[in-house]
Amino acid sequence: EPEVTQTPSHQVTQMGQEVILRCVPISNHLYFYWYRQILGQKVEFLVSFYNNEISEKSEIFDDQFSVERPDGSNFTLKIRSTKLEDSAMYFCASSDTGLTGELFFGEGSRLTVL
Amino acid sequence: AQKVTQAQTEISVVEKEDVTLDCVYETRDTTYYLFWYKQPPSGELVFLIRRNSFDEQNEISGRYSWNFQKSTSSFNFTITASQVVDSAVYFCALMYSGYALNFGKGTSLLVTP
Repeated sequence: EPEVTQTPSHQVTQMGQEVILRCVPISNHLYFYWYRQILGQKVEFLVSFYNNEISEKSEIFDDQFSVERPDGSNFTLKIRSTKLEDSAMYFCASSDTGLTGELFFGEGSRLTVL
Repeated sequence: AQKVTQAQTEISVVEKEDVTLDCVYETRDTTYYLFWYKQPPSGELVFLIRRNSFDEQNEISGRYSWNFQKSTSSFNFTITASQVVDSAVYFCALMYSGYALNFGKGTSLLVTP
C-alpha cells in the first residue's frame, strides 16, 4: 500500500539552528500539507501546497517557516532559526484531490529543540 | 467560526464495553468534510473515516460506527465491544472550503482488560 514517508523520525537541534524535515508524498498525489502537534496537544495545520505554490497557511506558519518541492518526489519543511516552542511532532500529508480526497499522513518527524 | 469540539478529554472503559466519542463542529460552509483519526501510542495518525456534508447516512465498519447529524452539528463515533488495542487518542476533524484539516483536541480512550 502506498504511503507517505518522512525523515528523520527524530531530530534534536540547538535553538537558533536551521532544520529541514523531509517528506516523500504518495507518488500520484498533487496536494501536500504540513501539520504539527505539540506534545499532548491537538494537531494543528501549518501549510498546504499545490501546483508548486502555497495554497493556504495558518498564522503559525510565519517567516521562519518555508516549504519547497525541490524535485518530483520530495516535499520539505524548513525552519530557519528554531525556537524552543518549535519542539513538536511534524506530520506531512498528501492527497490526490484536495478538498474531496482522503488525507494520508506520514508517521511524523519529532523535533526537539534544546 | 470553524471549529471542532471534543468535550471528552479522557474516557476509560473496561474491555467489551461500548463507548461513544462525541464530536461537535461549527462551520459556515455548506460543503464540508468530517473526519476521524486514531493516534495510537506509537504516534502516527490513522485515518478512520471521511464524511461529506451531504451524506447523513450512518456508517458501520466492523465494531466502529459513526452517527452524523447535521441538525445538531455532531459526528459521533461509537466503538462496540471495545478492545485493549482500541486504546488511543481519537481526533475528529473538519475540512471546509480551504485545504486545511481543523482538528479537535482529541479524546484519549483507555480500554482496560
